[in-house]
Amino acid sequence: DAGITQSPRHKVTETGTPVTLRCHQTENHRYMYWYRQDPGHGLRLIHYSYGVKDTDKGEVSDGYSVSRSKTEDFLLTLESATSSQTSVYFCAISDPRLAGPTADTQYFGPGTRLTVL
Amino acid sequence: AQTVTQSQPEMSVQEAETVTLSCTYDTSENNYYLFWYKQPPSRQMILVIRQEAYKQQNATENRFSVNFQKAAKSFSLKISDSQLGDTAMYFCASPWSGGSEKLVFGKGTKLTVNP
Repeated sequence: DAGITQSPRHKVTETGTPVTLRCHQTENHRYMYWYRQDPGHGLRLIHYSYGVKDTDKGEVSDGYSVSRSKTEDFLLTLESATSSQTSVYFCAISDPRLAGPTADTQYFGPGTRLTVL
Repeated sequence: AQTVTQSQPEMSVQEAETVTLSCTYDTSENNYYLFWYKQPPSRQMILVIRQEAYKQQNATENRFSVNFQKAAKSFSLKISDSQLGDTAMYFCASPWSGGSEKLVFGKGTKLTVNP
C-alpha cells in the first residue's frame, strides 16, 4: 500500500464545531486530494493540492477549506461542521512525474468516518 | 457537468463465473487514463486496473480485463473466474475535462459473488 495515513480514523462532533482532518504521505507525491463518499454519490472531490501552498476547489468545496504547508501533509478543515457534512472522507495522492503504470494513478488512504450530530 | 455513469447499481454472480460491469464517461481530454477501483467492506479503495486511452490494446490484470471503446466512451470491467473475495463496490473513474489530474467517479456497482 502507498504510504498514506489519515487521522483521526473516526470522529463524532457536534454541529457548529470546527473539525480538522489530516492526511499524511511518505511518498513525496506532488498531488493530494480530499474526497467525500456518500451513499448513492460515489466519491466527490472537495479540494486538491498540486504543490506546497497550491490548492484548488473541487466540485463540492462549500463549507471546507484546506492547507498544505509541507509536501507530506494536507489538512481539510470544516470551519463550522453541519450535519450534511457527515460522511466518509478519503485522501488520495498522485504524481504525474512518475513513469510507467503508476503515472497519474491516484492512491487512497484508509478513510475517516465523520459524524456531525 | 462531468459525469461517469455506471448503469448497474447492483449485480450478483456465481463463484467461478464471469461478470461484466459497465461504465460510460464524457471527458473531452485526448490523452488520459481510466480506472476501476474496488472497495471491499473494509472501505479501503483499491486500484483494480488502469487503461491508457491512447493504447488500443485492452488492459488486463490477471482475472480482470477491460473492454475499452474510445469512440463510444465506454470502459467496462470483466471479472473472470469470480471469487468470493471479489465481493465489493466497484467504481469507475475518468479524468475531468480540462484537468486530467482530477478524477470523476461513478456512483458504483455493488457486486456480490455467491458460493
